[in-house]
Formats: sequence, C-alpha cells, structure tokens
Amino acid sequence: RKEVEQDPGPFNVPEGATVAFNCTYSNSASQSFFWYRQDCRKEPKLLMSVYSSGNEDGRFTAQLNRASQYISLLIRDSKLSDSATYLCVVTLFGNEKLTFGTGTRLTIIP
Amino acid sequence: EPEVTQTPSHQVTQMGQEVILHCVPISNHLYFYWYRQILGQKVEFLVSFYNNEISEKSEIFDDQFSVERPDGSNFTLKIRSTKLEDSAMYFCASSEPGDRALNYGYTFGSGTRLTVV
Repeated sequence: RKEVEQDPGPFNVPEGATVAFNCTYSNSASQSFFWYRQDCRKEPKLLMSVYSSGNEDGRFTAQLNRASQYISLLIRDSKLSDSATYLCVVTLFGNEKLTFGTGTRLTIIP
Repeated sequence: EPEVTQTPSHQVTQMGQEVILHCVPISNHLYFYWYRQILGQKVEFLVSFYNNEISEKSEIFDDQFSVERPDGSNFTLKIRSTKLEDSAMYFCASSEPGDRALNYGYTFGSGTRLTVV
C-alpha cells in the first residue's frame, strides 16, 4: 500500500463549482498533515496545515479523520487561479521528513 | 516574505560529472532538507540536516550524494558522479523548530532542474 494515496485526477471543474479531494495515509503514527499546492514545474507551496478539529481558510476547508486515516480538502467557489496540482503531505512529527502523495491535478474551466 | 533561494535554476551536466546544487535557507530556520521530483512523479525525500549533521536520509541518498553547510547561510547538495536517472528537479526546503513547523509548514525553494546527458 502506498504511504500517501491520492486520486491523480484530472479534475476538470467549471468556475464557481465546489470540488473535493481525498487522501489516505498508511502510517497510523503520522501526526502532522498538510495540503500543498504545486503549479506546473514550480515548487510546492503550503496551502494549509490540517488539524484534528478541521480548519477553514477562506474558500478552503480541510478535514482529518484519524480513525480512517483520511484527509480531505474542499474548495468552494473555485477560481481559475485554483488550477494546480494539490499535494497531500504527511509527516510523523514536526521537522521530520515529509511524505508526499502523487498529487491531484485540478483544472478550473471558464 | 522570507524565501529559500536555490541556484542555479537549471544545470545541464554530462553523465559521470560532479554537480553541486546550492541553497540559502531562511535565516532563522534550523532544519534543512533536500527533495527531488522526477518529471511526472511525486516529490521524494532525500535528506534532512540539523545541527550540522544528517538527521535522516532516504534509500535514494546513497554514497554518490553528500550535503554540506559550508558557512552560516549556504546548504549544498553534491552529486559525485551523475547518472542519467539523476535528472530531476531538486528542491531545497527549510523549517522552523517544533510546533512552528506544524503550523507554518516547510518552505521550499524554486528548485534546480538538473539534466544529465
């Protein structure tokens, strides 16, 4: 089983729609979770950390289900600028290595 | 906003040659990392570095790889004898200690695209 598994997509979504991504991780000892965004041939950039209680940042909502080892990202009112690859990232502790999923490619269609 | 700076942005080298990739992490960060991404594949961990020594390395980070912090600001990755399969984007990253890394994540540089011919 892959350490971090994501649906690679692509997701082609009309502007203004809501889109949800899911991610599962295999190591139950994992403690920290992130969503990163990566534009084509660019570096990963932190979108948001994922907390146990769930968290929201504007149009973005992240949820964590430790029992199911499952992380989700919801994007509401999607914009053209949201087109990117979304990377689910897991680590055991702070300052430990990051384990990346393969990413989910999102394209927002005008 | 503080940045992780990587140079060069693109390096072309012949198979068997040595390359050194350069990184300047964010100044108040204490943990440094190298990751690589082969075209079309996921980002993979290579090595982490703290307190002037390697804290963890992956299976990819074999004897042909080495890291160094030659002064107070630079962090380098050396590949001694490059192979065709070393062609990839190499990302340097840095992070603050402890809980701040959990909240603010790890900051990545813009990468060095290494092409081995």
